[in-house]
Amino acid sequence: GAVVSQHPSRVICKSGTSVKIECRSLDFQATTMFWYRQFPKQSLMLMATSNEGSKATYEQGVEKDKFLINHASLTLSTLTVTSAHPEDSSFYICSARGSLFGGNTIYFGEGSWLTVV
Amino acid sequence: GENVEQHPSTLSVQEGDSAVIKCTYSDSASNYFPWYKQELGKRPQLIIDIRSNVGEKKDQRIAVTLNKTAKHFSLHITETQPEDSAVYFCAGNAGGTSYGKLTFGQGTILTVHP
Repeated sequence: GAVVSQHPSRVICKSGTSVKIECRSLDFQATTMFWYRQFPKQSLMLMATSNEGSKATYEQGVEKDKFLINHASLTLSTLTVTSAHPEDSSFYICSARGSLFGGNTIYFGEGSWLTVV
Repeated sequence: GENVEQHPSTLSVQEGDSAVIKCTYSDSASNYFPWYKQELGKRPQLIIDIRSNVGEKKDQRIAVTLNKTAKHFSLHITETQPEDSAVYFCAGNAGGTSYGKLTFGQGTILTVHP
């Protein structure tokens, strides 16, 4: 079963509205999670590093006021796309590092398809 | 920051042939190099990885080689099957406190023809 759960898997929102995507680590605590964006037929691009109890670290070119990240607990990080526009339509995917079975492993969520209309 | 280049962007082979995908990286501090297989709309699946203290790793039909001096690593798939058709991504990571922060290559669309 999934060790990192992401929700929703698909969401359609109207232009100008905000949408929240959740990333949960199951059965392990994740002090650090990562958020990626993947446009169709392109690679995964790191958006930000989400740190439990502190501010997220954003990659160059990613607007922190547009992509709000909150990591309020050891098992949950959320990404909120504010004032979404059609160009924000993409596949958003989170990952977490954990040692569920011994040794460090990177676990990916199932991803969330965002369509802004 | 890290930069990972991946080639080729598309690769077409006949079933049973071998496939090789190559990646180069820029950050000499990188020490962890995973390979992922991704099907459309799905999460990336780790198929094999290698750490910088190892030059080669093999798992059945899949192998990865690493040349740390030249900063390149390659994925080798032997006896390819149609179900190997997917997009493959290499990635690099510096480890330590940055472990998990992956820089991905551009991806390779592998098509295996029956």
